Amino acid sequence: GDSVTQMEGPVTLSEEAFLTINCTYTATGYPSLFWYVQYPGEGLQLLLKATKADDKGSNKGFEATYRKETTSFHLEKGSVQVSDSAVYFCALSARYGGATNKLIFGTGTLLAVQP
Amino acid sequence: DGGITQSPKYLFRKEGQNVTLSCEQNLNHDAMYWYRQDPGQGLRLIYYSQIVNDFQKGDIAEGYSVSREKKESFPLTVTSAQKNPTAFYLCASSISGDPGNTIYFGEGSWLTVV
Repeated sequence: GDSVTQMEGPVTLSEEAFLTINCTYTATGYPSLFWYVQYPGEGLQLLLKATKADDKGSNKGFEATYRKETTSFHLEKGSVQVSDSAVYFCALSARYGGATNKLIFGTGTLLAVQP
Repeated sequence: DGGITQSPKYLFRKEGQNVTLSCEQNLNHDAMYWYRQDPGQGLRLIYYSQIVNDFQKGDIAEGYSVSREKKESFPLTVTSAQKNPTAFYLCASSISGDPGNTIYFGEGSWLTVV
């Protein structure tokens, strides 16, 4: 079945460091790919998305490129801030029950940025 | 502001009780979802609804029930049959059930069994 694998955390960085969180997926067909962010005690917020191969999603300095050849959607940011500390979830959108949208999530990666 | 409102934020349940989590959206979305999140794990789908008066079981529906009488509302009842209900519950919605549409989430509800 469809699945998402992301690097285990926690990832601990100093402020202004470069961030990469790896995400790979297994899917039949061509899913849409998403990164969500969850701050402590809160729900998930959409960070960025890409709907087809070679698309680049970007938001708030974060970027991820949909790589069909490597089935990857790695999240990157050039200079992290303390306020970026959160759990990041990679997800794909798959058909479920024949027609319905369903998100399949990775287990999440905790990012801790130190001043 | 448009969004998804879940209530209560924190809820405690005694053994053998049913409890209901509220979810309301004013985004005019047709599709709504309930997910469960356990520590260190991703989210798992409990129930989903593509349209009013219709809903389907997700991956972990046992011990849960839902209704969809109004487009904007999708309450989740955690019944006494759910053996391990302590978790973080997230309601979500999308403009339709078509794959690829962005799914938006509420702020979540914490349920603890005491």
